[in-house]
Amino acid sequence: DSGVTQTPKHLITATGQRVTLRCSPRSGDLSVYWYQQSLDQGLQFLIQYYNGEERAKGNILERFSAQQFPDLHSELNLSSLELGDSALYFCASTKGGGADYEQFFGPGTRLTVL
Amino acid sequence: AQSVTQLDSHVSVSEGTPVLLRCNYSSSYSPSLFWYVQHPNKGLQLLLKYTSAATLVKGINGFEAEFKKSETSFHLTKPSAHMSDAAEYFCVVSGRGGADGLTFGKGTHLIIQP
Repeated sequence: DSGVTQTPKHLITATGQRVTLRCSPRSGDLSVYWYQQSLDQGLQFLIQYYNGEERAKGNILERFSAQQFPDLHSELNLSSLELGDSALYFCASTKGGGADYEQFFGPGTRLTVL
Repeated sequence: AQSVTQLDSHVSVSEGTPVLLRCNYSSSYSPSLFWYVQHPNKGLQLLLKYTSAATLVKGINGFEAEFKKSETSFHLTKPSAHMSDAAEYFCVVSGRGGADGLTFGKGTHLIIQP
């Protein structure tokens, strides 16, 4: 158990809908990363937050957004969902903001868009 | 910009024989390099990391990797495979102090034959 929690574990929804994925980092970790894992794209970095501020941005679509709250949990919002958004979404947390820190991954949220 | 190429999508070895998972990277900056492992239906776990210290890096569970700048390689090895090593392995690069996030390879599926 990494200490990172993600809810829900599974999510099934329809095209055009909006969903919110939640991540709670390990106690004491200030940084949260979001990743998307799909069969065709592999594992892709989406976005990083550090202590409430956006730190780095990867291949995140404009339909997706994220935020980190004062208690350091983070939410990833996916809107206008398409079939291709079906994937496993991971969050990871680290103590510091640099990518040299070991990232501790949550178990993931599996999103299925029908 | 940075990229990672894992040269084999699948590697099959017999239990007790050596493991070699190959990774080549490209980075405009001095990279930090990682190997992560993902067991079925689990999140990712850090095996080892290179951050410009010793070029031979030892990780958990008997794995090690050697950073070779001249060959832009970071191959993962283990002297003797165990059945529990069966998993997906990802080579990962970060650059510019993490400002560009992490870039993952496509993964190598390691199969251990009894």
